[in-house]
Amino acid sequence: LAKTTQPISMDSYEGQEVNITCSHNNIATNDYITWYQQFPSQGPRFIIQGYKTKVTNEVASLFIPADRKSSTLSLPRVSLSDTAVYYCLVGANSGNTPLVFGKGTRLSVIA
Amino acid sequence: GAVVSQHPSWVICKSGTSVKIECRSLDFQATTMFWYRQFPKQSLMLMATSNEGSKATYEQGVEKDKFLINHASLTLSTLTVTSAHPEDSSFYICSARPATNEKLFFGSGTQLSVL
Repeated sequence: LAKTTQPISMDSYEGQEVNITCSHNNIATNDYITWYQQFPSQGPRFIIQGYKTKVTNEVASLFIPADRKSSTLSLPRVSLSDTAVYYCLVGANSGNTPLVFGKGTRLSVIA
Repeated sequence: GAVVSQHPSWVICKSGTSVKIECRSLDFQATTMFWYRQFPKQSLMLMATSNEGSKATYEQGVEKDKFLINHASLTLSTLTVTSAHPEDSSFYICSARPATNEKLFFGSGTQLSVL
């Protein structure tokens, strides 16, 4: 299971774009990159998943370079409600493969 | 999207008692479910993999006799914390994947407080 490294914390003002980078140097060929958001006392919530290049959905974008050894989650125009812990996970999407969590990035959005 | 339901949301119990936590996949069948534990201000730690119809697989350092896992049907896995002690107080979260090549969905978690 690939290990991930993220910044422990980040601060941002409301309305700014936030980019959180994750390193995963040992990513395997069949591994996907998935980002989750977690609020206190809640289960993680899926944000976005990708394999290569760029993925965009209604809440975020995920940028993955060609070597796939890192990825960047981009949150456009954050609001106070985006204050949470963000986890980058790497692993296969097979049925019996769990995801191993790293320490995550604690994002604080300031008014 | 798929829904993983966890019950109860929180439970308080006396030291020495046992507590059962249920994890259900509401709109899909899950042959495998995963149980995590999370202490305050820390990340999720994988405890065990629950397999329908067979024994669970526990991570190193997790006592299988302490944390009993039963996965008797394709939509239900239970975690029983036996003879709970204050150090077992934690946030327990289950997860499941609807199918291969699907993302992992998480339950809302169960906060266990042992007095």
